[in-house]
Amino acid sequence: DAGVIQSPRHEVTEMGQEVTLRCKPISGHNSLFWYRQTMMRGLELLIYFNNNVPIDDSGMPEDRFSAKMPNASFSTLKIQPSEPRDSAVYFCASSLRGQGIKNIQYFGAGTRLSVL
Amino acid sequence: AQRVTQPEKLLSVFKGAPVELKCNYSYSGSPELFWYVQYSRQRLQLLLRHISRESIKGFTADLNKGETSFHLKKPFAQEEDSAMYYCALRPGGYQKVTFGTGTKLQVIP
Repeated sequence: DAGVIQSPRHEVTEMGQEVTLRCKPISGHNSLFWYRQTMMRGLELLIYFNNNVPIDDSGMPEDRFSAKMPNASFSTLKIQPSEPRDSAVYFCASSLRGQGIKNIQYFGAGTRLSVL
Repeated sequence: AQRVTQPEKLLSVFKGAPVELKCNYSYSGSPELFWYVQYSRQRLQLLLRHISRESIKGFTADLNKGETSFHLKKPFAQEEDSAMYYCALRPGGYQKVTFGTGTKLQVIP
């Protein structure tokens, strides 16, 4: 398996534009997580899904952020409109919900977003 | 709500010196603690879990419930240990993982 795949790797956009980040989890995993990484705040959980259903979106900063998971192999994180303070690295992670060695989260390479 | 604190943003040590990356947590129940590592230009990956009681790449971490700490230790630092280290907590029975703000370890040759 290629692991968690995120696209694009880098995104540069102008303030006010819509940004869509994409994630393909590891095949067979049933949980998916979106994180934001900044120097000041470290890794913050934005939202996570179980079996394609959003479970906890309390970390989503505001209404400009939305996430969807239309099927088990694809998720998107959308920012509309984008602002310079959204500049960060966005990570997607997936896991197999269960006990023990399960529930370990595997991370994608991240998308580095720069909003000018 | 749970919280993970990593007091040091940057830790610089000389090669061969001992390393201790501090992690304190607050949670009233029985948590599961992890250390994740992110090497330069690589993705975040699990280093070790407290329940495994294992040593990975020479690193160990012991859960001290009395002090609510889960410090990461290595007796002799190597240059390849230079990376960003995140401590993380998962409440028992839940999936949501809370990460600390991370500590950048810099091993000086």
